[in-house]
Amino acid sequence: LAKTTQPISMDSYEGQEVNITCSHNNIATNDYITWYQQFPSQGPRFIIQGYKTKVTNEVASLFIPADRKSSTLSLPRVSLSDTAVYYCLVVGGGYNKLIFGAGTRLAVHP
Amino acid sequence: DADVTQTPRNRITKTGKRIMLECSQTKGHDRMYWYRQDPGLGLRLIYYSFDVKDINKGEISDGYSVSRQAQAKFSLSLESAIPNQTALYFCATSDSYQGGADNQPQHFGDGTRLSIL
Repeated sequence: LAKTTQPISMDSYEGQEVNITCSHNNIATNDYITWYQQFPSQGPRFIIQGYKTKVTNEVASLFIPADRKSSTLSLPRVSLSDTAVYYCLVVGGGYNKLIFGAGTRLAVHP
Repeated sequence: DADVTQTPRNRITKTGKRIMLECSQTKGHDRMYWYRQDPGLGLRLIYYSFDVKDINKGEISDGYSVSRQAQAKFSLSLESAIPNQTALYFCATSDSYQGGADNQPQHFGDGTRLSIL
């Protein structure tokens, strides 16, 4: 199972774009890159998932380069409500086992 | 996710007591999971079940047991609680492997905060 590495914390201001990069050097051919968001006292919530190139939904965009050894979660125009912990995970490989690291704690300031 | 309900939401108990945490879901998913989260850390998998007759240990199953009473219900038991089992416990569900890639998103409940004195 591929291990991921992401920054421990980030700070931003309302209205800015935030990019959180995750490295996953040992990603396997069948693995997908998946991001979850967690607010205090709540369970993680699925945000976005991708395999290659770019994926966009109503919440975020996910950029994955050709070698797939890293990925970047992009949150456009963040607000205070985007303050949360963001987890990057690699899933697949035959069964749906999630391995959560410590995540990136994003603080959005007024 | 309101479709995944955990009870109780909070529990304080004493060392040595038997505790059961319950999880029910209305999403119709076959797969269910139990995780624990300690302050400042990510989630660690305790047990998971791919259907009613399937139970598997996760990375930290010692001191815990589970029961899958029905597709919609998955309970976690601490047979004899100890203080280092104080944590936030999450239940999650996911759809079955659809073929092509086993990457179905997991849906989490809001957790049970368990304190063992």
